[in-house]
Amino acid sequence: AQSVTQLDSQVPVFEEAPVELRCNYSSSVSVYLFWYVQYPNQGLQLLLKYLSGSTLVKGINGFEAEFNKSQTSFHLRKPSVHISDTAEYFCAVSDRRGSTLGRLYFGRGTQLTVWP
Amino acid sequence: ETGVTQTPRHLVMGMTNKKSLKCEQHLGHNAMYWYKQSAKKPLELMFVYSLEERVENNSVPSRFSPECPNSSHLFLHLHTLQPEDSALYLCASSQDLAGTEAFFGQGTRLTVV
Repeated sequence: AQSVTQLDSQVPVFEEAPVELRCNYSSSVSVYLFWYVQYPNQGLQLLLKYLSGSTLVKGINGFEAEFNKSQTSFHLRKPSVHISDTAEYFCAVSDRRGSTLGRLYFGRGTQLTVWP
Repeated sequence: ETGVTQTPRHLVMGMTNKKSLKCEQHLGHNAMYWYKQSAKKPLELMFVYSLEERVENNSVPSRFSPECPNSSHLFLHLHTLQPEDSALYLCASSQDLAGTEAFFGQGTRLTVV
């Protein structure tokens, strides 16, 4: 089974500032990687995903993430945040093979708060 | 509209009640999931169904009973719950078990009193 670590439980930033939300996972075997966003009282919405190919992945709302296999990381970035980006962000990993194929493992989440 | 619809959105129930959560997906997916989201804890995978067959049960107490009558519908039957079962219950679906992407419903906020 995978273990997903989101290093910051809360990230406060000012509007228009850049932001990076960090995510590390435990295993270097083949994985799929995801970032989800959750607004208050809502379900999870997919921001972006890495399945294969280019290690820099672009998602919705101006977010992007970079897969770093050697560091087993998949950090989420945005060059300029808006107040509407305030939400909880979850990193998730699934194994591409083995008995746990298809199971999504989530981090504990990072609360991003954007201040005016 | 996410393609995965959960009802009800909110539910308050006593410890002796029996209730059911419903999930419906309109995406033609073959796999469906129940997750529990409690405050300060990671999302917990409870059950996995593939082609209406349960393929995973992650040590969930028997007071939670899933049912998958067809590939579009998933239920979670609840009985004699405890206050610590209060949480947001999320349903998700995916095309198959290959793990490429899951789509989530908006969740049912359950409060056990």
